[in-house]
Amino acid sequence: AQSVAQPEDQVNVAEGNPLTVKCTYSVSGNPYLFWYVQYPNRGLQFLLKYITGDNLVKGSYGFEAEFNKSQTSFHLKKPSALVSDSALYFCAVRRASGTYKYIFGTGTRLKVLA
Amino acid sequence: NAGVTQTPKFQVLKTGQSMTLQCAQDMNHNSMYWYRQDPGMGLRLIYYSASEGTTDKGEVPNGYNVSRLNKREFSLRLESAAPSQTSVYFCASSAGSKQYFGPGTRLTVT
Repeated sequence: AQSVAQPEDQVNVAEGNPLTVKCTYSVSGNPYLFWYVQYPNRGLQFLLKYITGDNLVKGSYGFEAEFNKSQTSFHLKKPSALVSDSALYFCAVRRASGTYKYIFGTGTRLKVLA
Repeated sequence: NAGVTQTPKFQVLKTGQSMTLQCAQDMNHNSMYWYRQDPGMGLRLIYYSASEGTTDKGEVPNGYNVSRLNKREFSLRLESAAPSQTSVYFCASSAGSKQYFGPGTRLTVT
C-alpha cells in the first residue's frame, strides 16, 4: 500500500530564512514523488517531481526537493523564503508502474512572517 | 486553453438530494481523477479513470458514482447526498505523471 506522511501541520519561518517542509513516503517499488502548492480558494498547482536520476530536483518559484531513498523522504526546500510563499503544500506519491493512483499527504501550511 | 474546468463552483444540497459534478479538460489527457479535500485529511482519491472507457475506485468511493463520458469529460454523481459528503471536490487530469487540477467545487450538504 502507498502512503505519505507530512508530520507538520504548520511551519513558520521568517522571510529571508531557509525553509523545509517534510515528507516521508511508503510505496512498493520505485516511487514517483511530487510537491503541489495550494493558495486560498484555488486548485493545486504543480511545483516539482522526482521520477528518476538526480536526487535533487528543482521546481517552480525557486523550490527544490531532495529524494532520499534510504530515509524514504522527499523534503521540500527553499533557500530564502518569501511572504508570498505562504500557502498549503502537499506531498504526493505514485508507484512508477502498474497504477495511475496518487496518494496525497495531509498538507503542511507554510507561514512566512515578514 | 482553459485547462481543467469544473461546474458548479458552489452547491448546497439537502440530505437525500442528488447531483452531478461536471469536469472537463481540453489538454487531451488520458487520465482523469476526482478528489475530495477535507480539513486535516488532505486530498483523498474518490475515483479515477486511466483512459476513456475505464474507471476505478480510489480510497473513498462509497456514496459516489462516476462516468467517463468521453476523453474530455469525467463526471461525479452523488445519488443520495449525506452531510459527510460536505467537502471541496477537485477534478484533475494528467498525461504522464504531472496532474493538473481544476478550481474545485465547494459542496455543503445540510
